[in-house]
Amino acid sequence: QKEVEQNSGPLSVPEGAIASLNCTYSDRGSQSFFWYRQYSGKSPELIMFIYSNGDKEDGRFTAQLNKASQYVSLLIRDSQPSDSATYLCAVRKRFGAGTRLTVKP
Amino acid sequence: DAGVIQSPRHEVTEMGQEVTLRCKPISGHNSLFWYRQTMMRGLELLIYFNNNVPIDDSGMPEDRFSAKMPNASFSTLKIQPSEPRDSAVYFCASSKGGEDGYGYTFGSGTRLTVV
Repeated sequence: QKEVEQNSGPLSVPEGAIASLNCTYSDRGSQSFFWYRQYSGKSPELIMFIYSNGDKEDGRFTAQLNKASQYVSLLIRDSQPSDSATYLCAVRKRFGAGTRLTVKP
Repeated sequence: DAGVIQSPRHEVTEMGQEVTLRCKPISGHNSLFWYRQTMMRGLELLIYFNNNVPIDDSGMPEDRFSAKMPNASFSTLKIQPSEPRDSAVYFCASSKGGEDGYGYTFGSGTRLTVV
């Protein structure tokens, strides 16, 4: 079992819709959870981190954490074409394979 | 702040040659990570340093790979001898507060091609 698993996608949503990205992890002792965005040919950049159960909102982005279910998600509201990228879930220093998101105008 | 600085940006080398990748972390960050990214395997952790000390090197593929951090502002990743399967993008990242810190800042990466 991989330590961090994501749906590889690709995920395609129309502009203005909500994009939902999911991630599960295996280490129950994990305390820190991150979402990174990676544009093609670029390096990953941090967009959200969450440490506590529940929701954390930052602009159009909401991270959700459920430690009992070992589940982390990222919601992107009012998706824009500029959100098209690969989204990487990270649990401590381990990364998932990423989900490629395409937002169609 | 200039961010995490990696060099070179691109490296093409012949199989069997030694390759050295370099990284300067953000000043004040006490943790440094080396990752390798390929289409097949995604972003893999190679080694993690905290306060210049290697903490987790379980991802280093084999004895051909070695990493050092002689001081807080410099780290190297060396591959000797290089093989075609080492072709990948190598990222260096740094953070405050260890692996559970506030997220990592990545460098621009080194694209390594071994022919």
